[in-house]
Amino acid sequence: QVQLVQSGAEVKKPGASVKVSCKASHYTFTSYGISWVRKAPGQGLEWMGWISPYNGNTHSAQKFQGRVTMTTDTSTSTAYMELRSLRSDDTAVYFCAKKQYSGNNSPFDYWGQGTLVTVSS
Amino acid sequence: QSVLTQPPSVSGAPGQRVTISCTGSNSNIGAGYDVHWYQQLPGTAPKLLIYGHINRPSGASDRFSGSKSGTSASLAITGLQAEDEADYYCQSYDSSLSGVIFGGGTKLTVL
Repeated sequence: QVQLVQSGAEVKKPGASVKVSCKASHYTFTSYGISWVRKAPGQGLEWMGWISPYNGNTHSAQKFQGRVTMTTDTSTSTAYMELRSLRSDDTAVYFCAKKQYSGNNSPFDYWGQGTLVTVSS
Repeated sequence: QSVLTQPPSVSGAPGQRVTISCTGSNSNIGAGYDVHWYQQLPGTAPKLLIYGHINRPSGASDRFSGSKSGTSASLAITGLQAEDEADYYCQSYDSSLSGVIFGGGTKLTVL
């Protein structure tokens, strides 16, 4: 069964950076893109961007361009998302999700369990 | 403010049928981009319910169905059960934003 296992909760101060990991198993990691989606308290889902583990190509939402970096380590089948210059409104649960197929509008068929990032002074 | 508009809440009694709408524009649903639907139970990750407007992943209940017309899509849930109480989100792609978009989410309450 496909699994995506994320790193644990983080507490950060405003202005700091956070790096969340997402370890994939039971499928060919380089064959499917990984997206990052967050859910802030009382808000809906928000897409942040995606990365192709095959060639490292990335595409991020306009809102996060310049502040987010997505990478992968194919030797360990792990994806990473780093968000810099954290603000209080970045407090959210961050999810990684596997794309079901290639293309800009693929659905996400498997999700990580989520990582709570709290930004507070 | 989400690009895709969903009603904040819907409700229904056990056994009834409810629908959740997802209204977009000519740069997303109206441009022919697929609509996908997710169910998010409290404290858990979203789960794919419907993809490509009408298709169900293997294992998904046939009580859930999707449709699309023009710049809108809908999710229908028949035979409501208490376990269906959750948040539901639609997803598509917007060519103006060059990115994936989600609806604001709809909270389903089973009375």
